[in-house]
Parts: sequence; structure tokens; C-alpha cells
Amino acid sequence: AAGVIQSPRHLIKEKRETATLKCYPIPRHDTVYWYQQGPGQDPQFLISFYEKMQSDKGSIPDRFSAQQFSDYHSELNMSSLELGDSALYFCASSLGAGLYNEQFFGPGTRLTV
Amino acid sequence: DAKTTQPNSMESNEEEPVHLPCNHSTISGTDYIHWYRQLPSQGPEYVIHGLTSNVNNRMASLAIAEDRKSSTLILHRATLRDAAVYYCILRRTGTYKYIFGTGTRLKVLA
Repeated sequence: AAGVIQSPRHLIKEKRETATLKCYPIPRHDTVYWYQQGPGQDPQFLISFYEKMQSDKGSIPDRFSAQQFSDYHSELNMSSLELGDSALYFCASSLGAGLYNEQFFGPGTRLTV
Repeated sequence: DAKTTQPNSMESNEEEPVHLPCNHSTISGTDYIHWYRQLPSQGPEYVIHGLTSNVNNRMASLAIAEDRKSSTLILHRATLRDAAVYYCILRRTGTYKYIFGTGTRLKVLA
């Protein structure tokens, strides 16, 4: 079965550079979620989109922005990168956004700043 | 955000049942209880979810207390592949996010 695809899988950037992470949800899934997991930490919710509209927001820095496109893929744009942004970034998708809907997580993008 | 409390770590012998507890005393009437697990170097993986009644699926069972202030994830026969961090998460009405707590790191002994 198709899974969530994230690209790139690994990314190395310098401080103050920008990075763009991409997420391709499971076909027909209309909801996308982004999470950040620092070294030794638990996943932290960043932002989500439902039907291309921002649906919920967590502790996402102002330097980060995201959007969901007409084909439902999503991009997380990160500017003025800091050392503390080094983390695993997970994208998840679901069909619908109900409380009972399972989120399917991708393999993650490991960002090293 | 709804808070859950889990033991930091647990151990189990292979082929034995495992009961992973979770306290969620601030749960509200419409919150769903979700369990995910995260294997090393992988994204979280759905295990099971429930609202009020006990639930079973091919991976596990979920036992929910009558007052819904606690729940227990039951792995019927632990295998080495079940070693992971298990997260108990409340999904609250009007929100889309999962709030991950510290989870329980399960170690399975051969």
C-alpha cells in the first residue's frame, strides 16, 4: 500500500540558510500534519492543513511557513535556520480530519543545521 | 491541551502479555483516546483508538476505564519487534493535532 512520501530524507544546511521540506500524502488523503522531533524528544505538532486550508497550529516558529497545494501535497518552508532547528520532521496524512481518523506518518526528513 | 501520564519505561518477556497504562484524568466527554508507537528511527505508527468501549484489533486491545480517566493498551504476546515508545494521546474536539507526551519505552526481553 502507498505510504506518505517525504523528501528529501536527509538535508544539511548552514545557519541562516533556508530549507524546504516536501510531503506527499497517501492518495485521496486530504489532511496533512507536520511534526518536529528534536534529538531525544517527543514529536511536537507544528501545523496542519485540511482541504488546502490551515486547520490547526502548534508551536511553529514565525520563521517557518507551510502550505498545502491543489494536489494535496504540502511543503514546509524554513528560513533563517538556527542550530536548534536540527531535528526529524515528520509529515502525516489522514482521510478526513475526524477525531477517530488515523494519522499515517511518513519516514521523516532529518534536517541538520 | 489534554494531558496524559504514562510510566517512562516498562519491560516484558517475549511471548508474554504486556499491559501499558495511561492516566488521562482531564479527559472530556468527546475526547478520543489514541495509541501510537514509534520504533527506533521511524515515524509514529497507529496502534488503536477508542472512545468509551473496549476495542480490539489485530495489533492490540484497548481497555478503557468506566470513568474514562484511564486506559490500558494490551499487547497479547510481546515480540522483540514490539520494542518501541508507546504514546497515549487524547484527540480533542475542534483540534487536528496530536499532543505527544513522554510515552512509555517498552523493552522486550528474549
